[in-house]
Amino acid sequence: SQTIHQWPATLVQPVGSPLSLECTVEGTSNPNLYWYRQAAGRGLQLLFYSVGIGQISSEVPQNLSASRPQDRQFILSSKKLLLSDSGFYLCAWTGGKSPLHFGNGTRLTVT
Amino acid sequence: GESVGLHLPTLSVQEGDNSIINCAYSNSASDYFIWYKQESGKGPQFIIDIRSNMDKRQGQRVTVLLNKTVKHLSLQIAATQPGDSAVYFCAETSTNAGKSTFGDGTTLTVKP
Repeated sequence: SQTIHQWPATLVQPVGSPLSLECTVEGTSNPNLYWYRQAAGRGLQLLFYSVGIGQISSEVPQNLSASRPQDRQFILSSKKLLLSDSGFYLCAWTGGKSPLHFGNGTRLTVT
Repeated sequence: GESVGLHLPTLSVQEGDNSIINCAYSNSASDYFIWYKQESGKGPQFIIDIRSNMDKRQGQRVTVLLNKTVKHLSLQIAATQPGDSAVYFCAETSTNAGKSTFGDGTTLTVKP
C-alpha cells in the first residue's frame, strides 16, 4: 500500500533562518506531488506541485521554493524565513484523477 | 480566479441527527469534486468524491450531491456520531489542470 511520510512534525525557527521540509512517498511511482499551507482556521493554499522529477510549478510567489530530486521525494525550502511563513505545511500525492493523500503535516512557527 | 466557498463556517448537531454541509464553487471547468475530513493536528482525509457526470454518490453513511447548474456541492452525513466532529473541506479539481482548490472548511461539532 502507498504511504506518505512528512517530517518534522513540528518546527520552531527564528526569522531569517533557512528551512527544509521533506516529504517522501512509498508504494507508488511517478506520483503528482503537492505542497500546501494551511493558516489557522482556514483552508489549504496550494504552494507548489510537481508532475515529475525536476518539474515544479509555483502557485504563489513568495520566499519559498520546492524541489523534486527523486521521483518520490519532494522538498520545501526557504533561504530566509519570515514571520508570515508560520503555518501548517502539508505534503500530498495523487496518482492522477484521484483524491489527494496527505501526510500528517509540519507545524512551523517562525519566531 | 476560481474559488470554492462554504456557506457556513460552523455546524453543531445532536448525536444521531443527520448533518448537511454545503459548498459553492465557481469554476465551471471543474470536473471532479472531493470532500475531506480533517481532525485536529492531522492532514485531511478523503471521505467521498464525485465526478461531474454524476449528481449523487453514496458511501457508508455519507452522500455527496452535485448540482452543476448552480455550482453547488453538499455532503450529507447520516446518524452523525461524535467521531464525525472535525473540519470538513470541499475541493474542486479541473483534471486538465491537475490541481485542487479548497474552501475554508466547515467545523462540525457533534453534541452527545
